[in-house]
Amino acid sequence: DAKTTQPTSMDCAEGRAANLPCNHSTISGNEYVYWYRQIHSQGPQYIIHGLKNNETNEMASLIITEDRKSSTLILPHATLRDTAVYYCIVRSARTGANNLFFGTGTRLTVIP
Amino acid sequence: GAGVSQSPSNKVTEKGKDVELRCDPISGHTALYWYRQSLGQGLEFLIYFQGNSAPDKSGLPSDRFSAERTGGSVSTLTIQRTQQEDSAVYLCASSLEASGWLGQYFGPGTRLTVT
Repeated sequence: DAKTTQPTSMDCAEGRAANLPCNHSTISGNEYVYWYRQIHSQGPQYIIHGLKNNETNEMASLIITEDRKSSTLILPHATLRDTAVYYCIVRSARTGANNLFFGTGTRLTVIP
Repeated sequence: GAGVSQSPSNKVTEKGKDVELRCDPISGHTALYWYRQSLGQGLEFLIYFQGNSAPDKSGLPSDRFSAERTGGSVSTLTIQRTQQEDSAVYLCASSLEASGWLGQYFGPGTRLTVT
C-alpha cells in the first residue's frame, strides 16, 4: 500500500472550513484514498473514501487531484467536536488487511 | 445495536507478566482486526481474522504476541512476558468481511501500561 504524507498539525476557527491535505504520490491505480479520524480516547472513526472522483457525505468532502497524487479532506463548517487526529490512508480495497499503515495523521484543533 | 467492545479498558501490569485482552466484535462481522497505538504514534496493524483463521499475522511484533478467535466471534490477544515497550492502546475492529475496508468499526481500546 502506498504511503501518505500529512502535516503534523493544523488549526481552524470554529465555523470555518477545515482543509486537510494529504500527499500520496506513489498511489497505484487500484488504490483508494480513505480518511479516518480519532477523537481523543476513542477508536478511529471512518469519514469518507474515494478512488478518482470527488466525494461528499454528511461528514465531509473529499477532493482528489486529477493525477491522484494528493487529496484534501474538507470539513465545511468545523465545530469544536471535530478536534481530532485525521488519518489519510491509501490501500487497495481488494487486498486483505495486511500491512496497513496509518501514519501519525494531522492533529486538527478547532479554535472557538 | 451494540458496537465493538473491548475489555479491560485499562490494564496495568508488571514487566514479565502475561496479559490477555479481549475483543467482542459486532454480531455477524466475520472479519476482526487488532491494532495498537503507542504514545504519539499512528495505528500499527497487528493481525486480522477471517472467521477463526488468521491469514495475516505479519504485524505481530514478536513471538510473545499471539491471538485467537473462537466461534467466529470473541477474540483474545495475549502478550506473554510483557515488556515496557508493549505499553500502548490496543484497538480492535470488526467488519462484515475482509475484502472491503469500508465499515471497519473500532472498539474503544484497551490501554495497557507495563511498569
